Amino acid sequence: AQSVAQPEDQVNVAEGNPLTVKCTYSVSGNPYLFWYVQYPNRGLQFLLKYITGDNLVKGSYGFEAEFNKSQTSFHLKKPSALVSDSALYFCAVRDGDQAGTALIFGKGTTLSVSS
Amino acid sequence: DGGITQSPKYLFRKEGQNVTLSCEQNLNHDAMYWYRQDPGQGLRLIYYSQIVNDFQKGDIAEGYSVSREKKESFPLTVTSAQKNPTAFYLCASSRGYESNQPQHFGDGTRLSIL
Repeated sequence: AQSVAQPEDQVNVAEGNPLTVKCTYSVSGNPYLFWYVQYPNRGLQFLLKYITGDNLVKGSYGFEAEFNKSQTSFHLKKPSALVSDSALYFCAVRDGDQAGTALIFGKGTTLSVSS
Repeated sequence: DGGITQSPKYLFRKEGQNVTLSCEQNLNHDAMYWYRQDPGQGLRLIYYSQIVNDFQKGDIAEGYSVSREKKESFPLTVTSAQKNPTAFYLCASSRGYESNQPQHFGDGTRLSIL
């Protein structure tokens, strides 16, 4: 069975500092991994994905994520946080080798960036 | 601009009443999805449709029903059998159910009980 975990309910960082939002996953095949961001009372916006290739993936708004197969992780990072980055972040995974499997979402991590 | 439109943004349901949430997409996507979001629980899949005139139950389908008569439209009905309907409902679409492309989301409908 596939699963995804976001071990931190909330991450607090100061503006200008680097940020990391953690995600670990479990699939039997090759993972399709996604990060989304959600602002209050809005839908999810796609940030970036890893399907294959380079382990460091760059996405929207200066975010990047590193795929680590041995640690089964896909942590979201940004070198310098902005107050406007404060939002709810979701990691999602799908087993790319298993037909008919759904995209599974983590429970979300609230990022709070203070000025 | 292509996208997904959900309506209404806010909806109130009386006891014993069925209500229908609208979802329309102009992205020409084959697959569409309905999720329920509760605080601290992430997104849970209610129903999905891989193609017109076909749909499957997700993890929490009880008390809900859907139809997919047109490619662009995937309405969700919350029936009176759903005893705890208060939540934020999100509709999404993607090029294909097993695609490696991301899902695109609407801005949600917040359903509350009167």
